[in-house]
Amino acid sequence: ETGVTQTPRHLVMGMTNKKSLKCEQHLGHNAMYWYKQSAKKPLELMFVYSLEERVENNSVPSRFSPECPNSSHLFLHLHTLQPEDSALYLCASSQEGWNLLYNEQFFGPGTRLTVL
Amino acid sequence: SQKIEQNSEALNIQEGKTATLTCNYTNYSPAYLQWYRQDPGRGPVFLLLIRENEKEKRKERLKVTFDTTLKQSLFHITASQPADSATYLCALSLEGGGNKLTFGTGTQLKVEL
Repeated sequence: ETGVTQTPRHLVMGMTNKKSLKCEQHLGHNAMYWYKQSAKKPLELMFVYSLEERVENNSVPSRFSPECPNSSHLFLHLHTLQPEDSALYLCASSQEGWNLLYNEQFFGPGTRLTVL
Repeated sequence: SQKIEQNSEALNIQEGKTATLTCNYTNYSPAYLQWYRQDPGRGPVFLLLIRENEKEKRKERLKVTFDTTLKQSLFHITASQPADSATYLCALSLEGGGNKLTFGTGTQLKVEL
């Protein structure tokens, strides 16, 4: 596998369920991100992990819980979600460093989440 | 507050013409600006990056300009093709903000035969 992969691609869950989204990057990057993309709204940065340490959470509700066990894997644990949490959840990775010329982010295909 | 604006309405152009997309921002002093392409049901794909001290960047049929006085970036696709149809996102990074990107809502481009 190459690039950034996400599983599952589609997820339907009830408000009382607990589920997890998984992201894996095969690029050797040292930073990973979770974004939420809702219709007609810009990508919203949820969490940033740099060198496996969370550095940004942007006031995301506690019903979203990230986990980054190593630099290649990122999880988003979901529990007691609301219908308004239905969206496309995107994972991305990048390489951080002081002397890099580019800071582009590589995105996965996303997980389309529907909360009933 | 910081704000990024892109054309909210879809842009329809004829094949072979040049498409020009606009990204305006307020209350920012970005270190650099990026453009991404996003197809339906897919994640964004990086296209070009331009730094605050650069006026213009080119890559094949793509050209990006960056005017920090006007607080505006223009994204051009020359000799457009139906395969260029997609949503184009601009994203800004704040100086000292590391890799944190703030995205615009995107502009949908449709290239017609």
